[in-house]
Amino acid sequence: EVQLVESGGDLVQPGGSLRLSCAASGFTFSSNWMHWVRQAPGKGLVWVSRINSDGSRTDYADSVKGRFTISRDNARNTLYLQMNSLRAEDTAVYYCARDAPVVTLDYWGQGTLVTVSS
Amino acid sequence: QSVLTQPPSASGTPGQRVTISCSGSSSNIGSHYVYWYQQLPGTAPKLLIYRNNQRPSGVPDRFSGSKSGTSASLAISGLRSEDEADYYCAAWDDSLSGPYVFGTGTKVIVL
Repeated sequence: EVQLVESGGDLVQPGGSLRLSCAASGFTFSSNWMHWVRQAPGKGLVWVSRINSDGSRTDYADSVKGRFTISRDNARNTLYLQMNSLRAEDTAVYYCARDAPVVTLDYWGQGTLVTVSS
Repeated sequence: QSVLTQPPSASGTPGQRVTISCSGSSSNIGSHYVYWYQQLPGTAPKLLIYRNNQRPSGVPDRFSGSKSGTSASLAISGLRSEDEADYYCAAWDDSLSGPYVFGTGTKVIVL
């Protein structure tokens, strides 16, 4: 069974940093691109970032470019999102999602809440 | 921030058919497949439709998708109380908005 479990969400002050993790199981993690998607309270889904299967290619939404870094450790089956220079508008539930051929983002984690506030 | 436009809400009584529209452009829906996600209250999104009209295993055939030009739609037939949720369309996008864009979301209310 495919499982994605996010962790690392917390309350952080503006300008602070946080690292999110997404532990994957039930599939060959090293074969799939992975994504981060966020959802501000009461708002819709917004794509944040993606990384290819071996970590050599990454893409970011303009709103996080230069502040967030996506990475992965295929030996540990874990996806990461390093978030720096956090702003109030980064407050959201962050989901990791698997990208599979044909079906695209087919499995999602339960999400982890990041709150940026003083 | 959303590139794909959906109506904020749609409603129907049990057993009725409800349709949700998703409007995009040539850089997304016009040149790529459309995906639909269902988000039940307090839960993560779940893939409902892929490649315009394909259902993953386990998704009831009451859900169907279609696409025409730069628009797409999701239909729910035989509406049930458990279908009350938020629904999002999505597509790959070739513009600076991309690479993956979501719709504004539609709340389906079962009366």
